[in-house]
Formats: sequence, C-alpha cells, structure tokens
Amino acid sequence: AQRVTQPEKLLSVFKGAPVELKCNYSYSGSPELFWYVQYSRQRLQLLLRHISRESIKGFTADLNKGETSFHLKKPFAQEEDSAMYYCALTGSGAGSYQLTFGKGTKLSVIP
Amino acid sequence: KAGVTQTPRYLIKTRGQQVTLSCSPISGHRSVSWYQQTPGQGLQFLFEYFSETQRNKGNFPGRFSGRQFSNSRSEMNVSTLELGDSALYLCASSLAPIGYEQYFGPGTRLTVT
Repeated sequence: AQRVTQPEKLLSVFKGAPVELKCNYSYSGSPELFWYVQYSRQRLQLLLRHISRESIKGFTADLNKGETSFHLKKPFAQEEDSAMYYCALTGSGAGSYQLTFGKGTKLSVIP
Repeated sequence: KAGVTQTPRYLIKTRGQQVTLSCSPISGHRSVSWYQQTPGQGLQFLFEYFSETQRNKGNFPGRFSGRQFSNSRSEMNVSTLELGDSALYLCASSLAPIGYEQYFGPGTRLTVT
C-alpha cells in the first residue's frame, strides 16, 4: 500500500523566513512524488514533481529515498505563498494508476 | 484552452437516492481521475480511466462507479447515497498516465441529507 504523511496541518511563518513543508511516504517500489498547491478560491494545481527537478516560484523539493521524504523548501517566504499544500505519490509501474495525497499543510505567511 | 469542467457544481440529495456527476477533460487529455475530498479524510482516489478503460480503483464500496466515453468525458455515479458521501468530488485530467501533471476541475459539492 502507498501512503503519504504530512505531519503539520498548519504552518505559520513570517515573510522572509525560510519555509519547509514536510512530506514522508511509504511505497515499496520506485515512487513518483509531487507537490500540489491550492490557493484561496483556486483549483488544485501542480507545483512541482521530483523527476523534473525544477524550482517553481522559488520552491524546491528533493527526494530522499533513505528517509522516504520529499520535503518542500523555500528560502524566503512571500505572502502570496499562503495556500494549502499537498504532497502526492504514484507508483511508476503498470497498474500504478493511482495518485495518493497527504492530508495537506496549510501555510500561512505572516506579513 | 478551456480547463476541466465539472457539472453540476452543487448538488443536494436525500439518503438512498443516486447521483451522477459529469467531468469534461481538457481537449486532447485521455486520462480522467476522480477524487473525493472531505475535511476528515482529505483527498482520496476513487478511480482512473484511460481510453474508456478503468485502470485502477480506490478503496471505495461498489456503490461508487464510473465510466468514460469515447470523447474522454467521464461520469461517476453513486447509488444508495449515505450521509457520509457528502463531499467535494474532484475530477482531474491528464495527457497520459497518472504520472503526468493532472489538471483539476473546480469540483462538485455534494450534500446528502
């Protein structure tokens, strides 16, 4: 079974402070990991995925297979980063057509 | 191009009734997935369709079913509604298998009374 854990329901940081949203996963094979974000009154949308190794809106995430983690980081938080963030996982083989989400972390950036 | 659309946006049903929700994917997208979102359980995978074939189903009872048409539009059906089925139902589409970026619709808010 595949599982995603986001230990923090709410994370509050001051503007300009570093941000780290934690994500741990459980999966027996090679996972594909994603971060999705939902801004207020907007649709859920992809922020980044580990295979592309991109930096989107200043956010990065590194897959640590040893610690089974995929934490999302940003060095300097901005007010517009306030949103709900979901970590998600899918398998990479045939039959893995299921995206499993964590329960999400609400990020609040204090001006 | 137009995004994923879902109809209806809001729905109120009574226990025991059945409901059908519709999802129109982005043009050219062949994969459609459905999710149930509730405050307690978060986002839970219901099923995924690709080229009219259901390829995976989440851990939901048989009352939840779906289908996909040749134009990639998808419907999900919930029979014998229970109070616990009250949720936001999200549909997402992608070009290819589920590892690709999924584009989400606005959701259908179902309330069962």
